[in-house]
Amino acid sequence: RKEVEQDPGPFNVPEGATVAFNCTYSNSASQSFFWYRQDCRKEPKLLMSVYSSGNEDGRFTAQLNRASQYISLLIRDSKLSDSATYLCVVNVDPRGTYKYIFGTGTRLKVLA
Amino acid sequence: GAVVSQHPSWVICKSGTSVKIECRSLDFQATTMFWYRQFPKQSLMLMATSNEGSKATYEQGVEKDKFLINHASLTLSTLTVTSAHPEDSSFYICSARGRTGGTDTQYFGPGTRLTVL
Repeated sequence: RKEVEQDPGPFNVPEGATVAFNCTYSNSASQSFFWYRQDCRKEPKLLMSVYSSGNEDGRFTAQLNRASQYISLLIRDSKLSDSATYLCVVNVDPRGTYKYIFGTGTRLKVLA
Repeated sequence: GAVVSQHPSWVICKSGTSVKIECRSLDFQATTMFWYRQFPKQSLMLMATSNEGSKATYEQGVEKDKFLINHASLTLSTLTVTSAHPEDSSFYICSARGRTGGTDTQYFGPGTRLTVL
């Protein structure tokens, strides 16, 4: 079983739609969680950290369920510019060495 | 926000040659830098963790004699791919550990696309 699993997609949605991605992780000792965005042939960029209480940043909402070991990302009112691959990232080292494990990413295409 | 640069952004080399990639943190000191590799349509895979002034820690399956890492200062880490072969062709990305809003995160460089002929 992979340490971090995501549905690779692609998710094809019309502009204005709401779309949600899930990610599961296997190590219950995982300490911190992130969503990164990666555009084609570019480096990943931090979209948002994921906190236990859930957090929102504009149209983006992230949630963490430690009991079920999954993380979600909700995008409301999708824009064409949201088209990208969304990477779920987990810091699996409880000693805080910040060794990140990346999911394979979920590809989103927002259609006009 | 924190900025990390990489040089070169792309390189094409002949099989058997060595290639050096630089990673710099431009506006912060990074005691820890990370080197990743990403093959097409695959996830980023951590190759090694580089700590300033000490030897790098390599992930399982990564040959330390083939991928030489030097972290001589708080703002610079280098990765040298020695005796490169076509199977080493990949997207190499570095990241540097920094602190934003009280949270440690990793800031990624723009990546180096290596093609070995």
